[in-house]
Amino acid sequence: GQQLNQSPQSMFIQEGEDVSMNCTSSSIFNTWLWYKQEPGEGPVLLIALYKAGELTSNGRLTAQFGITRKDSFLNISASIPSDVGIYFCDSGGSNYKLTFGKGTLLTVNP
Amino acid sequence: DADVTQTPRNRITKTGKRIMLECSQTKGHDRMYWYRQDPGLGLQLIYYSFDVKDINKGEISDGYSVSRQAQAKFSLSLESAIPNQTALYFCATSERGPDTQYFGPGTRLTVL
Repeated sequence: GQQLNQSPQSMFIQEGEDVSMNCTSSSIFNTWLWYKQEPGEGPVLLIALYKAGELTSNGRLTAQFGITRKDSFLNISASIPSDVGIYFCDSGGSNYKLTFGKGTLLTVNP
Repeated sequence: DADVTQTPRNRITKTGKRIMLECSQTKGHDRMYWYRQDPGLGLQLIYYSFDVKDINKGEISDGYSVSRQAQAKFSLSLESAIPNQTALYFCATSERGPDTQYFGPGTRLTVL
């Protein structure tokens, strides 16, 4: 199966700071998906990327599909307390299932 | 109302008991999935169904069974629960590929 490395594993930031996290793989993929999971809830799709070099925004979130097709980055600008959660990436290695990396746990201090 | 609902949300049971987790969806999707999530291990697919007459084993189907009662309902059973089945279980639905999956809120199962 796909081997995804997410970093950092956890982040503790102050409200208002920008956040950057990434996901890498040794394999080339055609899709990158970013999900957020809040405590007590199921994962929710944030951004889907389908083309190398693609840069897509969703509000304060911006994700990029790496030009090598082996990585993806997620940035959150001006963080707020409700950004707290675990952020997962998936490289779309399967045409039907999600696997997820280990996730990045984000804590935002007010 | 939520598009994908799971019951129960939390369950504590004992080794050897039979447990059923239920999932219902109002999205009208044909595809439904059961995943297991363990801390730091991502998601593992247990079973999936592309329509009412189609049931497929995922990566970790041993010890589990499923029933697709209708397009909107997909149940997961643990025939004889064991402690290492303690985990968070998610149901998901999709219209097509993984980029269209919607998750339920999860069931936290503890097997003592």
